[in-house]
Amino acid sequence: DAKTTQPPSMDCAEGRAANLPCNHSTISGNEYVYWYRQIHSQGPQYIIHGLKNNETNEMASLIITEDRKSSTLILPHATLRDTAVYYCMHKGNTPLVFGKGTRLSVIA
Amino acid sequence: SAVISQKPSRDICQRGTSLTIQCQVDSQVTMMFWYRQQPGQSLTLIATANQGSEATYESGFVIDKFPISRPNLTFSTLTVSNMSPEDSSIYLCSVESEGGTDTQYFGPGTRLTVL
Repeated sequence: DAKTTQPPSMDCAEGRAANLPCNHSTISGNEYVYWYRQIHSQGPQYIIHGLKNNETNEMASLIITEDRKSSTLILPHATLRDTAVYYCMHKGNTPLVFGKGTRLSVIA
Repeated sequence: SAVISQKPSRDICQRGTSLTIQCQVDSQVTMMFWYRQQPGQSLTLIATANQGSEATYESGFVIDKFPISRPNLTFSTLTVSNMSPEDSSIYLCSVESEGGTDTQYFGPGTRLTVL
């Protein structure tokens, strides 16, 4: 069973920041938080991951709360091509377990 | 990151037949996984395939239905046997990166339709 909770859907205006929340209250101390996205039945695309510090790369920023029980993925300037299902997961040395994710719709 | 290719990209098959899906990685990896994504659903792990050992199947998946080969560190196959329309799904290969992180990367998927 999926171990994270995400809203089923969100809308975001093109050019605005998209903030996607995730609850992962059962995360273990040695597990990382991972974010992936899946665009229209393509293979899931890795976005970013983190342990306890905030992380940023060319795609997004990841904000992890101090207690590590929740996180937020930030797409700073959403474009139409960011429309996808976004998955938040936590993982140690076992395979990723996918929940239902958040369907983000970026609107022109 | 790893570059993963799958063959075929899609296929339409008749009930009762079998299809073998190939997964090729551009670098040597220890951990490989096979997932299934049924229409409108999320991904479900079928099995973990490590080179040199038998594949480990998740609950609800059996070797007779989904035999897996892992002959070397860059290649794996998944066979969907005795297919029925309920096997219509996208099948995805995934690998875990080597060298310190457990990040998984995914192939483009094989879209299977069973008539």
